[in-house]
Amino acid sequence: DGGITQSPKYLFRKEGQNVTLSCEQNLNHDAMYWYRQDPGQGLRLIYYSQIVNDFQKGDIAEGYSVSREKKESFPLTVTSAQKNPTAFYLCASMGRGKNTEAFFGQGTRLTVV
Amino acid sequence: GEDVEQSLFLSVREGDSSVINCTYTDSSSTYLYWYKQEPGAGLQLLTYIFSNMDMKQDQRLTVLLNKKDKHLSLRIADTQTGDSAIYFCAAGSGNTGKLIFGQGTTLQVKP
Repeated sequence: DGGITQSPKYLFRKEGQNVTLSCEQNLNHDAMYWYRQDPGQGLRLIYYSQIVNDFQKGDIAEGYSVSREKKESFPLTVTSAQKNPTAFYLCASMGRGKNTEAFFGQGTRLTVV
Repeated sequence: GEDVEQSLFLSVREGDSSVINCTYTDSSSTYLYWYKQEPGAGLQLLTYIFSNMDMKQDQRLTVLLNKKDKHLSLRIADTQTGDSAIYFCAAGSGNTGKLIFGQGTTLQVKP
């Protein structure tokens, strides 16, 4: 089945550690996105990529890094520089052309302990 | 910069229609989406509309787009308790490739 998969579903990190969240899609979508959602809040754009080997900062990129070495994969690293990393992280992908749809993974809940 | 605004809360009775409104600022927005989020879950795409359309109907869902006013609405007919969730409006820019979300509208359906 085609879809977008995030892993793990729950992640615990000690303060000062980097952690990488996985996002994989088999929809042959060019564009991929990472969002952060805090309790009772909307989605804020962290990074996005419209094509392999290229990505742009979103509204809250500080303390995060990404790579887009393959079309299917867009991992997000939450670095120790991110002051308040505990949140729900959502990955999305979108195709090109008319009537395109943007699909989401099920999310990763990151907790810093 | 680009912005998407929604009202935060809507309460309706079961069987009534619900109308959730959204405004956006980016006139280059090409695609406009409605998503549903249930507690602890990801976002489920409900429907979307291309910017050259005024209306789209999909079973109980009707999307209306006023491009001049940059206003989007989602109407849910015969609202059921299972429709209780947070609904997000999103605008996708054909120029920048960005996909920007509103804050979400919590829909409460009372029996």
